Amino acid sequence: QQPVQSPQAVILREGEDAVINCSSSKALYSVHWYRQKHGEAPVFLMILLKGGEQKGHDKISASFNEKKQQSSLYLTASQLSYSGTYFCGTEREGTSYGKLTFGQGTILTVHP
Amino acid sequence: DSGVTQTPKHLITATGQRVTLRCSPRSGDLSVYWYQQSLDQGLQFLIQYYNGEERAKGNILERFSAQQFPDLHSELNLSSLELGDSALYFCASSGPTGYRETQYFGPGTRLLVL
Repeated sequence: QQPVQSPQAVILREGEDAVINCSSSKALYSVHWYRQKHGEAPVFLMILLKGGEQKGHDKISASFNEKKQQSSLYLTASQLSYSGTYFCGTEREGTSYGKLTFGQGTILTVHP
Repeated sequence: DSGVTQTPKHLITATGQRVTLRCSPRSGDLSVYWYQQSLDQGLQFLIQYYNGEERAKGNILERFSAQQFPDLHSELNLSSLELGDSALYFCASSGPTGYRETQYFGPGTRLLVL
């Protein structure tokens, strides 16, 4: 079952902050965040593991609420380069480990 | 550059034909994943191989098959192609365990079926 992302789209001015949410109805083993620009490959941003470990970029942070099976991606002081579509991919417990199920994406547009 | 390579970059073919997409994982990675991205279906998991063995399967059509070779490169074979198979096909790779690991995506193969 596909995780649900919100909002569907965000428009920002440079320097503003944004939060993108990802919610699953199933117990998760990990949550992966990617950014994709049109026609290009998804680029890894952050991985959050059940148990609290996180790996990712310096300027981007995220949280994983294991009780609610929800993750949030925090983009602070946005830059023009942040524009793109953000996807969360979830790895579910009790299924084939490694398989990522992606949300429908959140389109982020940053204007000067 | 993720270190994952995919060939070809673009493929244009006709309905009913068969094509092969190739993927080389990052050096040291044992897992290879195939994903399909179309406008209406989003990013969909197809299949995962780990060290030569199939590990997980998604909603992969019977007309599609894949394998991972001893040198760890992988091929995705698509046969009896239909118009709806037109999509971006991504390969990703990850490290020693194949789960709870970062998956690095290749640049993709854009398939157009006419």
